[in-house]
Amino acid sequence: GESVGLHLPTLSVQEGDNSIINCAYSNSASDYFIWYKQESGKGPQFIIDIRSNMDKRQGQRVTVLLNKTVKHLSLQIAATQPGDSAVYFCAPREGAGNMLTFGGGTRLMVKP
Amino acid sequence: DAGITQSPRHKVTETGTPVTLRCHQTENHRYMYWYRQDPGHGLRLIHYSYGVKDTDKGEVSDGYSVSRSKTEDFLLTLESATSSQTSVYFCAISEGTANEKLFFGSGTQLSVL
Repeated sequence: GESVGLHLPTLSVQEGDNSIINCAYSNSASDYFIWYKQESGKGPQFIIDIRSNMDKRQGQRVTVLLNKTVKHLSLQIAATQPGDSAVYFCAPREGAGNMLTFGGGTRLMVKP
Repeated sequence: DAGITQSPRHKVTETGTPVTLRCHQTENHRYMYWYRQDPGHGLRLIHYSYGVKDTDKGEVSDGYSVSRSKTEDFLLTLESATSSQTSVYFCAISEGTANEKLFFGSGTQLSVL
């Protein structure tokens, strides 16, 4: 799952399987969340966002689930492809000034 | 990258020299942001702008200044670069509401020797 520490968690999945990437956040007042994908040498790419008044949101091959009770988000990727290999991180909007807070991310590796 | 161009893409400079990074957008978005990305820290906000000539500090603003004289351009200046400012710098833009749906540029790799 998501970590802000020095060690980047890694999730390794087989091509075609579903992937689940987790993110824990700390501020119960967080009202908005974004998931990003970052490939090596590139900028973060917007995947999907969700507001705190929703529990679930679906996009193309991706689903984000929000559990406010335990302050947890997950990003589900269906039928994972080699092109999905990247670092994924969530960004809750929280804290003073309502800024986005970015964690270190989770590295997804897709085995062919 | 959502009509965002960062320049230069790579820069090597010496400690004590001034450095300016440029972010140019073609989306006419109101909000622009500068972040830095370092191992173990994720993305951290340096400065942001909510309109022409309207800027504010982020989490790690010390040693940096910004200017926005036109909607499309947001400049980040390191007045006197230090080795601790070696990092990858990303510009981001968003349209209607601050800190929602940020779209990022490709980044500038800055090395301060």
